[in-house]
Amino acid sequence: AQSVTQPDIHITVSEGASLELRCNYSYGATPYLFWYVQSPGQGLQLLLKYFSGDTLVQGIKGFEAEFKRSQSSFNLRKPSVHWSDAAEYFCAVASAEYGNKLVFGAGTILRVKS
Amino acid sequence: KAGVTQTPRYLIKTRGQQVTLSCSPISGHRSVSWYQQTPGQGLQFLFEYFSETQRNKGNFPGRFSGRQFSNSRSEMNVSTLELGDSALYLCASSIRQGPPEAFFGQGTRLTVV
Repeated sequence: AQSVTQPDIHITVSEGASLELRCNYSYGATPYLFWYVQSPGQGLQLLLKYFSGDTLVQGIKGFEAEFKRSQSSFNLRKPSVHWSDAAEYFCAVASAEYGNKLVFGAGTILRVKS
Repeated sequence: KAGVTQTPRYLIKTRGQQVTLSCSPISGHRSVSWYQQTPGQGLQFLFEYFSETQRNKGNFPGRFSGRQFSNSRSEMNVSTLELGDSALYLCASSIRQGPPEAFFGQGTRLTVV
């Protein structure tokens, strides 16, 4: 069965500090991988995606993520966090084997302290 | 280019009633998927429609249904509402050819009282 694990429910970082949000997945094959961000009461905004090729992908708002097949991980990073990055972040996977529906992790709430 | 539009943004319904939510996808996108978001269960896939046909379905009771029109707009219906149906319902649209790249609407916040 497909599953996505985001081990950290909450993370607090200081403004200007670096950020890494963890994501691990369990799938039969290499799935398509995504990170979404959600501000309170809003929909999901796609930050970045991995389909194939270069395992380090760049996204919007200065975010990047690295796919590591050996660890079944797709961690999200940002070198310097801004107060406006405070939101909830969701890792998601999809696979043609399962009809390309998105399976989401439980989310990580990011708090930024000044 | 307009994004995904969901209407209404907020709804309050009484137990036992039914509700219809609407989603207009991005122009040119023919696939519409629906997701339910609750604090307890997180984001869960409801169903996907493509070319007016349901292509994929999640593990929800038959009270949850949907349809898609020839212009790709989609509606989701929930009958005999229960308190547990209170949630944010999100619609996502995609081209559906190749890897899925889904773009989400702002959602409809449904409260069942």
